[in-house]
Amino acid sequence: QVQLVESGGGVVKPGGSLRLSCAASGFIFSDYYMTWIRQAPGKGLEWVSYISGDGRITYYADSVEGRFTMSRDNAKNSLYLQMNSLTAEDSAVYYCAKGHLGLGPWGQGTLVTVSS
Amino acid sequence: QSALTQPASVSGSPGQSITISCTGTTSDVGAYNWVSWYQQQPGKAPRVVIYDVSERPSGVSNRFSGSKSGNTASLTISGLQAEDEADYYCSSYTDRSTSLFGAGTKLTV
Repeated sequence: QVQLVESGGGVVKPGGSLRLSCAASGFIFSDYYMTWIRQAPGKGLEWVSYISGDGRITYYADSVEGRFTMSRDNAKNSLYLQMNSLTAEDSAVYYCAKGHLGLGPWGQGTLVTVSS
Repeated sequence: QSALTQPASVSGSPGQSITISCTGTTSDVGAYNWVSWYQQQPGKAPRVVIYDVSERPSGVSNRFSGSKSGNTASLTISGLQAEDEADYYCSSYTDRSTSLFGAGTKLTV
């Protein structure tokens, strides 16, 4: 069945960088758009970015535009989110999800904490 | 862009029906039939219960239904069960080719 497993979260200082990964299995990865969504502790969901199946199309939320870069390696069935210039407002659980309109399924998430 | 507008909370008794609204603008909900709804139970990842306004994924109970009128989408859950207690989020595609979530609604059964 479809499985998505995020990794790469952790504690990082303000201004620092982090790269998240999402390993996909159980479907033809290159056929699907993929999306990153985040959820700050105790808060709601926030759409972050999506990428087309061939990696040529990406869109970002205003809150991360210019700081985050989404990419994928279809040979490795993997999705990435490079996060730079991190601030406390970027602290959240980051989820990857299959698709870009009706999102599903979702991974279990990886926690990013930005703190000095 | 501002989040889509949802009520903070709704409640209902077992067996009853409830409806959660999701209000956007002519740039998102009103412009496209790409509204989806997500259920998130405590400590778990969200799962989609409705996509494309009213389509139900396989495995989701037919007690869940969706609709849209103008700039407002709605999720209706009939025959409420204790297991339906969760946070519910709507999402819509926008005219900037991005997506937007609602702030979420806590359903108490």
